[in-house]
Amino acid sequence: GENVEQHPSTLSVQEGDSAVIKCTYSDSASNYFPWYKQELGKRPQLIIDIRSNVGEKKDQRIAVTLNKTAKHFSLHITETQPEDSAVYFCAASTAGSARQLTFGSGTQLTVLP
Amino acid sequence: DAGVTQSPTHLIKTRGQQVTLRCSPKSGHDTVSWYQQALGQGPQFIFQYYEEEERQRGNFPDRFSGHQFPNYSSELNVNALLLGDSALYLCASRQVGQGANYGYTFGSGTRLTVV
Repeated sequence: GENVEQHPSTLSVQEGDSAVIKCTYSDSASNYFPWYKQELGKRPQLIIDIRSNVGEKKDQRIAVTLNKTAKHFSLHITETQPEDSAVYFCAASTAGSARQLTFGSGTQLTVLP
Repeated sequence: DAGVTQSPTHLIKTRGQQVTLRCSPKSGHDTVSWYQQALGQGPQFIFQYYEEEERQRGNFPDRFSGHQFPNYSSELNVNALLLGDSALYLCASRQVGQGANYGYTFGSGTRLTVV
């Protein structure tokens, strides 16, 4: 089955700096890669996603890049703010109606004011 | 527009007991998946229901079972609870065949503690 590895497990940045979180996946059939933000005690919220027919997607301060050949994808957050502090999870999914998500182990991002 | 709702929010059970968790999907969604999230870990897929049938199952024992009702709501049942079943149980819903929108919407979860 699919295996997703996520790095780093913790990341501290100064407010205004950029943050990058990286994930690798094992199943070449995976074609959908969402990123979720989970604040303490709250539900995971989808912040951005990318499909395998696209190499990069951007939404304001957040961007995701995908390298299908190397089987890795990354989350980039620019101009970080204290409210960006949370746990971020990457996930991978294969095509089809089942679309089971396999999650990475998470990155605790702390933005220092 | 109501999102995914789960009940109860918190639950404490004794080892060996049985528990039922409930989920109402987001309006318009017809597929429900259940995930187990242990403390400090990413969510782990338990199973998915669509058209009232279990469509896919993760690496969980038969003690974990589920059901989907005609109104698309779902239940997760866990029998013979173990201490290791303590976790946040998340329900996620989506609409099959929605085309470009592949995203799952998660509920806030049920925090299960087994003592």
